[in-house]
Amino acid sequence: NAGVTQTPKFQVLKTGQSMTLQCAQDMNHNSMYWYRQDPGMGLRLIYYSASEGTTDKGEVPNGYNVSRLNKREFSLRLESAAPSQTSVYFCASGIGGYTEAFFGQGTRLTVV
Amino acid sequence: GQQVMQIPQYQHVQEGEDFTTYCNSSTTLSNIQWYKQRPGGHPVFLIQLVKSGEVKKQKRLTFQFGEAKKNSSLHITATQTTDVGTYFCAGDQGGKLIFGQGTELSVKP
Repeated sequence: NAGVTQTPKFQVLKTGQSMTLQCAQDMNHNSMYWYRQDPGMGLRLIYYSASEGTTDKGEVPNGYNVSRLNKREFSLRLESAAPSQTSVYFCASGIGGYTEAFFGQGTRLTVV
Repeated sequence: GQQVMQIPQYQHVQEGEDFTTYCNSSTTLSNIQWYKQRPGGHPVFLIQLVKSGEVKKQKRLTFQFGEAKKNSSLHITATQTTDVGTYFCAGDQGGKLIFGQGTELSVKP
């Protein structure tokens, strides 16, 4: 009964490095989301996927790419990390935007 | 696009005092959701409101959805130290779940 699983939990990157944050859910949800959380800014939507094979930009998509590999998995890629991307990243899934979202434990990313 | 604004950003209360956070949207919402995030944790769903003027209660928590479906509030009666955390509202924008900035509640015993 894992729910939403994110890896890694912590990561330190140097400016310019690339990495992929992984997210998988076992609840057969159609919708998946990536958010970033910064102090005083709340949760800001980076990208959203309504179903397998579809993705859509959220509020802050610049500097990120996503891939909905299958119904279970939704990955977030930073091609060239910048210090401004230091944040806590949350993946979430749900039946749709009109129903509750289930969140993963988060990935704390630091870019130096 | 839709913006969801939440106030206040921080609230410090003495244990036993009441607490209220307010959420306002620039557009009419189809529904509003509320989440709680404990320090160091992840957001956890509390409730969803769908109908205009709807009021729902969960023990000491009372949730309201405005008549125009553009605003909502969460009221906690007689706060306890277990209420500490950040409370978020979220609205659906064409399938995307957009969150407010959150209200961080601290409770002094």
